[in-house]
Amino acid sequence: NAGVTQTPKFQVLKTGQSMTLQCAQDMNHNSMYWYRQDPGMGLRLIYYSASEGTTDKGEVPNGYNVSRLNKREFSLRLESAAPSQTSVYFCASGRRGNNQPQHFGDGTRLSIL
Amino acid sequence: GENVEQHPSTLSVQEGDSAVIKCTYSDSASNYFPWYKQELGKGPQLIIDIRSNVGEKKDQRIAVTLNKTAKHFSLHITETQPEDSAVYFCATSSNTGKLIFGQGTTLQVKP
Repeated sequence: NAGVTQTPKFQVLKTGQSMTLQCAQDMNHNSMYWYRQDPGMGLRLIYYSASEGTTDKGEVPNGYNVSRLNKREFSLRLESAAPSQTSVYFCASGRRGNNQPQHFGDGTRLSIL
Repeated sequence: GENVEQHPSTLSVQEGDSAVIKCTYSDSASNYFPWYKQELGKGPQLIIDIRSNVGEKKDQRIAVTLNKTAKHFSLHITETQPEDSAVYFCATSSNTGKLIFGQGTTLQVKP
């Protein structure tokens, strides 16, 4: 039981390159989330998927797209990376419904030069 | 918009002392209040949570208190140990299911 698995763990990109961050969970959770973490700003929600087949914007969606491939997998894509997207990205999952705990992966550390 | 303020940003205590971290929130519809611990190089891990129909919850050395009238909640860690050193985040959620996080508190427990 691995929980939430994110790949890759580290990545360096040049400005303008594209990249997809992968996330998979084995807890049979309906809801999945993508956050970014920047120093002094906590975690900010980029996109979320309340259930398979649905996705919605969070607080900071600009410059990102997501795909809920199936119940297990939720990917985050940067179409044209910018230095402002240098951050640590976390994927999380949780049960359907409100007020449910979210379980996090160990993050992808992304640097854009 | 929804906002969560967390204080202090850094906290240093001696081993065995207590540590208290406080959060205030703006959305009166908030009804779920989790606390996460993040160790270096890892993702946040849920350590305790409380729902709005409860004023206090305790799990061994960790407790959370909630004051819905004043819109603030606190994490209390007693008998701190060096392994408690980490970054702690509070968060809130209303019926949207989305979490709003505080800015984090770096706790250092000195042996």
